[in-house]
Amino acid sequence: DAKTTQPTSMDCAEGRAANLPCNHSTISGNEYVYWYRQIHSQGPQYIIHGLKNNETNEMASLIITEDRKSSTLILPHATLRDTAVYYCIVRDRSGGSYIPTFGRGTSLIVHP
Amino acid sequence: NAGVTQTPKFQVLKTGQSMTLQCAQDMNHEYMSWYRQDPGMGLRLIHYSVGAGITDQGEVPNGYNVSRSTTEDFPLRLLSAAPSQTSVYFCASSTTGRRAYEQYFGPGTRLTVT
Repeated sequence: DAKTTQPTSMDCAEGRAANLPCNHSTISGNEYVYWYRQIHSQGPQYIIHGLKNNETNEMASLIITEDRKSSTLILPHATLRDTAVYYCIVRDRSGGSYIPTFGRGTSLIVHP
Repeated sequence: NAGVTQTPKFQVLKTGQSMTLQCAQDMNHEYMSWYRQDPGMGLRLIHYSVGAGITDQGEVPNGYNVSRSTTEDFPLRLLSAAPSQTSVYFCASSTTGRRAYEQYFGPGTRLTVT
């Protein structure tokens, strides 16, 4: 799987959009980008994934650049409950990798 | 659905003791896995299973054993506990194919080895 690089920490004001970047410059054409988050003391939670098109669900939006070397997770109206560590992971679509491996992620703090 | 359940929630062991961390899921998921998370660190994969009777090692398997006799259960055994195994342990499950990376995690077991 391609490696990912994320900032160690970010902060955001409540009610504003939180934009979390992820660099995956070695990504190959058949690798999906996945995002998880982990609220303090809880197990990680799947958020969203995408291949090359932008994706949106009830939790967040995922924007993937045209060259697919980076992506941004957008929380459109961050709340205090969005304070968490956010993990960006890439996965081979061919299925050779069954289980994701997690890096250190980005610690997002949403402040009032 | 209860999802993924883990027991116990907290455990204190003395060095050299053995114990089993329990994990169960009621979603009929084929894939199950165990991670450990040390303070301020990301999750590290210990062992995983792609179906009943099939297990494989992850990144940090030493000191741990697993078995998968049923689809529902995936216990993690600590053979001889060491202080370095003090950590939070998470179990996860997922279905197969394209959704294999959409994992469901349990609430974790907080283990302290003295």
